[in-house]
Amino acid sequence: KAGVTQTPRYLIKTRGQQVTLSCSPISGHRSVSWYQQTPGQGLQFLFEYFSETQRNKGNFPGRFSGRQFSNSRSEMNVSTLELGDSALYLCASSYRGQGTEETQYFGPGTRLLVL
Amino acid sequence: KQEVTQIPAALSVPEGENLVLNCSFTDSAIYNLQWFRQDPGKGLTSLLLIQSSQREQTSGRLNASLDKSSGRSTLYIAASQPGDSATYLCAVSPYRKTSYDKVIFGPGTSLSVIP
Repeated sequence: KAGVTQTPRYLIKTRGQQVTLSCSPISGHRSVSWYQQTPGQGLQFLFEYFSETQRNKGNFPGRFSGRQFSNSRSEMNVSTLELGDSALYLCASSYRGQGTEETQYFGPGTRLLVL
Repeated sequence: KQEVTQIPAALSVPEGENLVLNCSFTDSAIYNLQWFRQDPGKGLTSLLLIQSSQREQTSGRLNASLDKSSGRSTLYIAASQPGDSATYLCAVSPYRKTSYDKVIFGPGTSLSVIP
């Protein structure tokens, strides 16, 4: 099976712009979770989507949003970018999602730099 | 509120040594605990997943233990190799009967194995 893929791998934006990141889960997986990783805050949970519904959300402002399509692919969007949004954004997939005994499989991440 | 800590933050050992990484969590109500490896600028690779009912898991040179009552887990790496150099993160999946909760990661231990 192909692993979790994320596009693009690298992105440079300026403050105030918006960005959309994409994640394709492992075939058959219905849960996609998004994480932000920064040197200062570590890995922080953004949200989880399961069968096209947002099932859980972390403590991030409304500028961070996401969606999931019927084929389980997911996108996350960040509007009005701030310098502090510079981070590695990781997505992870699993069949049944968080709150179960399953492991999550992570993609390689999208490195976002906001100038 | 669940908090996860890892000690030490960084570790440097000569090749061939056995080593132990520590992970502590404040709330023992967890589904499972997972150890991940992250190479610089890349995504996470799952190493070991320990269910809440288990005491340990082994994979090759890696052994992870879990003591829920004390809120601790250790990752033991035998006969370390330079290829083991990476950041190791532990993550707990909190248990809630009525809703899913987010996976919480520790800050990681940066391991350097010197040839």
